[in-house]
Amino acid sequence: DPKIIQKPKYLVAVTGSEKILICEQYLGHNAMYWYRQSAKKPLEFMFSYSYQKLMDNQTASSRFQPQSSKKNHLDLQITALKPDDSATYFCASSHPRGGRGAEQFFGPGTRLTVL
Amino acid sequence: QQQVRQSPQSLTVWEGETAILNCSYEDSTFNYFPWYQQFPGEGPALLISIRSVSDKKEDGRFTIFFNKREKKLSLHITDSQPGDSATYFCAASANYGNEKITFGAGTKLTIKP
Repeated sequence: DPKIIQKPKYLVAVTGSEKILICEQYLGHNAMYWYRQSAKKPLEFMFSYSYQKLMDNQTASSRFQPQSSKKNHLDLQITALKPDDSATYFCASSHPRGGRGAEQFFGPGTRLTVL
Repeated sequence: QQQVRQSPQSLTVWEGETAILNCSYEDSTFNYFPWYQQFPGEGPALLISIRSVSDKKEDGRFTIFFNKREKKLSLHITDSQPGDSATYFCAASANYGNEKITFGAGTKLTIKP
């Protein structure tokens, strides 16, 4: 069974619209992350959360907003979408700072295309 | 400024040979170095990792060699198999990985049967 679920797998949006990318993990981790991968840039860190609190934000734009409704959920809301937002977005999780292990495990990704 | 650099960008080796993937980094605070393997259409999968207190880490056919003084590391894949064909990412993190990971651009490895 998949341990990190990302929905949807593919997403097409029009410029200016808003979308939410879903991430759920069943690894018992309390730290979750979002990364982005595009043709122009390597895997790029966006956010980290620990125990549902924001720990680090490397995203310049406020159009990207993580939402954590449960400790094993970290969704990503993207508003006012632009074609440059087209990328594959990966959710990851790990034990938090000071936890048992540092390894971050990645989900299968959501591939977003903005037209 | 690219914090983690990988070379070569792509590499082709014959089945059974050893593939060597190189990586270097800039930030002296990095102390945890995972390597991820990614197949098309999938997320990165953790392959093997090393902490800066070690100079070598082995796991089956995969070995990381780490040189802290030169800020370089390499991944050796012995007895390469066609199923090893994938993109390999060298990555780095401070605080032994309990925070953001910085990735290199990747090496696309092709194993010819």
